[in-house]
Formats: sequence, structure tokens, C-alpha cells
Amino acid sequence: GIQVEQSPPDLILQEGANSTLRCNFSDSVNNLQWFHQNPWGQLINLFYIPSGTKQNGRLSATTVATERYSLLYISSSQTTDSGVYFCAVEGAGGTSYGKLTFGQGTILTVHP
Amino acid sequence: DVKVTQSSRYLVKRTGEKVFLECVQDMDHENMFWYRQDPGLGLRLIYFSYDVKMKEKGDIPEGYSVSREKKERFSLILESASTNQTSMYLCASSVQQGLKYFGPGTRLTVT
Repeated sequence: GIQVEQSPPDLILQEGANSTLRCNFSDSVNNLQWFHQNPWGQLINLFYIPSGTKQNGRLSATTVATERYSLLYISSSQTTDSGVYFCAVEGAGGTSYGKLTFGQGTILTVHP
Repeated sequence: DVKVTQSSRYLVKRTGEKVFLECVQDMDHENMFWYRQDPGLGLRLIYFSYDVKMKEKGDIPEGYSVSREKKERFSLILESASTNQTSMYLCASSVQQGLKYFGPGTRLTVT
């Protein structure tokens, strides 16, 4: 099946710093989503971005499907940005239809 | 706003009990999914469903079954709970190949 690798596994920032999280995937995808998992465990949708670039406030994401990677940018980080960020993809192959495969996540800690 | 709800946030059960985890979505989505999340193992797909009364095994179906009698409801069943099924369980729904929406999760402890 499709493989998803996220980097870095851990990231520690001071409030106000910028950061870039990376997601590499091993095959063509129909769907790519970025999530933030809050302290209570809920997965919050950040972006649905199988290709192209999107922005939402201080967050933006870019997916280069032909090169099989996606980047999540966080600017002017805040302590509330802390948590785990997941990239998840739905492969374009028949056996992957409709199913998300998750990366291992990046644990972000933002200090005041 | 899409809403996916799960019947319990926290659940404690004894080994050997039959456990039902319920998930309901309010957006008429065709697809529904059950994942479990464990430290070091990430999120893994247990079962999914493309339509009422249809089910497909995910990556780790052993020890679980599912039921989808109505489009909005997808139930995960642990026939005889075991301690290795202690985990965070997350339900999701979507339209065909669309954006996946997740519920708040159920933390199940089996003692």
C-alpha cells in the first residue's frame, strides 16, 4: 500500500516563529488532508489539498503531486498551535479507494 | 457544518464483554470509517463502509465487526473485548473520494 512519511517527528518553537512540516508519499493520490489533533484527541481538518496551494490565516499548504510531497507552513506560531499534525492520503490505486493512510505525525510544541 | 458524533468519549469495559461503539453523521455521506490510534503505531483503519449494509475490512479487522443498518450510523463491535483493544477509536465519514470528517473519538480501556 501507499507509504506516508512526515518530518520532522518533533518540533519545538518559540512563540512567533515560523515552521514548515513536510509529508512525502510513495504513490499517486486522489486526496491529501492535513489535520491537527487537539489535546482531547479530535482530528481537526486543516486542509484538503490533493494539489496546489491553499491558505487559511496563519496556515498555508502546498502539494506538488507530481513530486509526491506536501508542505504545511505555520507562520507566527502561537502556543495554541501545539499538538500533533498529521498528513493523510488516499491513494489513486483501486485498493486504496476511499481510504486514508496516515503518516506518523509531527509533534509541535510552541513555548511562550 | 458536518457533524460526526460518537456515543462515548470515555469507556471502561472488562475483558470478555461485548462492546458497541456508535458513530453517527448528519451529512448523508456514503462512506464511513473506523480507525484506532495507538502510541507508536499511528492511526490504522479497522473497517469501512461504502453504503448501507456494505462493509469492507481495513488493515486490522481481527477481533472487530461492524454494522451499518442505516446510512447515518456505523457501529463498531468488539465481540469479546481484550486488553490489547485498549485504544483511541476514531470514526470518520465522507462523500465518495472526498474530504474526511472525524468524530471526537472514544477512549476505550479494557481491564
